[in-house]
Amino acid sequence: AQKVTQAQTEISVVEKEDVTLDCVYETRDTTYYLFWYKQPPSGELVFLIRRNSFDEQNEISGRYSWNFQKSTSSFNFTITASQVVDSAVYFCALPTGGGNKLTFGTGTQLKVEL
Amino acid sequence: GAGVSQSPSNKVTEKGKDVELRCDPISGHTALYWYRQSLGQGLEFLIYFQGNSAPDKSGLPSDRFSAERTGGSVSTLTIQRTQQEDSAVYLCASSLTSSTGELFFGEGSRLTVL
Repeated sequence: AQKVTQAQTEISVVEKEDVTLDCVYETRDTTYYLFWYKQPPSGELVFLIRRNSFDEQNEISGRYSWNFQKSTSSFNFTITASQVVDSAVYFCALPTGGGNKLTFGTGTQLKVEL
Repeated sequence: GAGVSQSPSNKVTEKGKDVELRCDPISGHTALYWYRQSLGQGLEFLIYFQGNSAPDKSGLPSDRFSAERTGGSVSTLTIQRTQQEDSAVYLCASSLTSSTGELFFGEGSRLTVL
């Protein structure tokens, strides 16, 4: 089966705390991409990152970082020094169906409070 | 603007009526997707259009659902004889190539079936 699992339904943190969102995937493909999207309260999903399975180096973009581990089929997302504006639902996703569609996890609702 | 545009943003209808939801993708994007997001759920793939190829309809939940894409641009998702379980946010996304690239989402059409 090809699927994405985000076991954390909801996470609440206090501003400035670090938080890690977990993503575990299953795929038959030998090469593949993984994605993270953010859905703020406005509803429009916003692309955050695409990672190729060839590249297992961690990636950092400002306060965001991603840890990709092929051995454990995980692609975790860490927000450092969280801010209220980070409050959103975060989705991990994997192309399936021969790349025709993006299969999303069920999302993790992140609430950052003052 | 230059983003994906969806209309209507909100639609309330009575059970048994037909509804049409419209998506205007980003100009030049050959790939167009429809997803459904039910309350508290992840994103459920419905249908995918790529250029002039036959669409991937594998996600349509029943024959009451259909979609067209005219001239490789605007798409209309039609739901016939709506049921209460059709209530959801219907999201449209477009991409330059396929799901291995970044998807740009619209703000969605919220459908409520009474």
